Amino acid sequence: AQSVTQPDIHITVSEGASLELRCNYSYGATPYLFWYVQSPGQGLQLLLKYFSGDTLVQGIKGFEAEFKRSQSSFNLRKPSVHWSDAAEYFCAVGGSNDYKLSFGAGTTVTVRA
Amino acid sequence: NAGVTQTPKFQVLKTGQSMTLQCAQDMNHNSMYWYRQDPGMGLRLIYYSASEGTTDKGEVPNGYNVSRLNKREFSLRLESAAPSQTSVYFCATLDPGGNEQFFGPGTRLTVL
Repeated sequence: AQSVTQPDIHITVSEGASLELRCNYSYGATPYLFWYVQSPGQGLQLLLKYFSGDTLVQGIKGFEAEFKRSQSSFNLRKPSVHWSDAAEYFCAVGGSNDYKLSFGAGTTVTVRA
Repeated sequence: NAGVTQTPKFQVLKTGQSMTLQCAQDMNHNSMYWYRQDPGMGLRLIYYSASEGTTDKGEVPNGYNVSRLNKREFSLRLESAAPSQTSVYFCATLDPGGNEQFFGPGTRLTVL
């Protein structure tokens, strides 16, 4: 069975500081990995995705994520956060022949001035 | 190009009432999904439809039914609503080329 664990429920970070959100997955085959962001009262927007190739992937809004197969991880990073990055972030896993995604419980990011 | 639309945006029901949540897409995608989002639990798949005319159960299908009316529309029905079905419901479609799911804005449902 596939699953995703996001160990941090809530992270508070100062504006301009770096941010790292953790994601660990369990999947029986080669995983497709995703990070989505949800602003309050909104739907989900894709930040970035990993299918294959370079294990460091770049996304929108200055985010990047690194796939580490040995650690079953896909952590999201941003070098310098902006107040507009306050949101909930979801990691998800799926596969090439499996169009169903499994989502983590989410990490809420608060940005303080 | 509206993407994925959902109606209604908000709904309050009494226990035992029925209702249908509507989802429509203009992206010409084959696959569509219904999720529910609850605090601390992320998104859980209720039902999905890989293509027009097919539907399959997801992780939490009990208490729900779905209809894939045509390629554009995928509805979710609660026959007898229960307080445990209070949640935010999201519809999504899949772009198979990019394996990306596109989400609607959600329906916030409260069952009293």
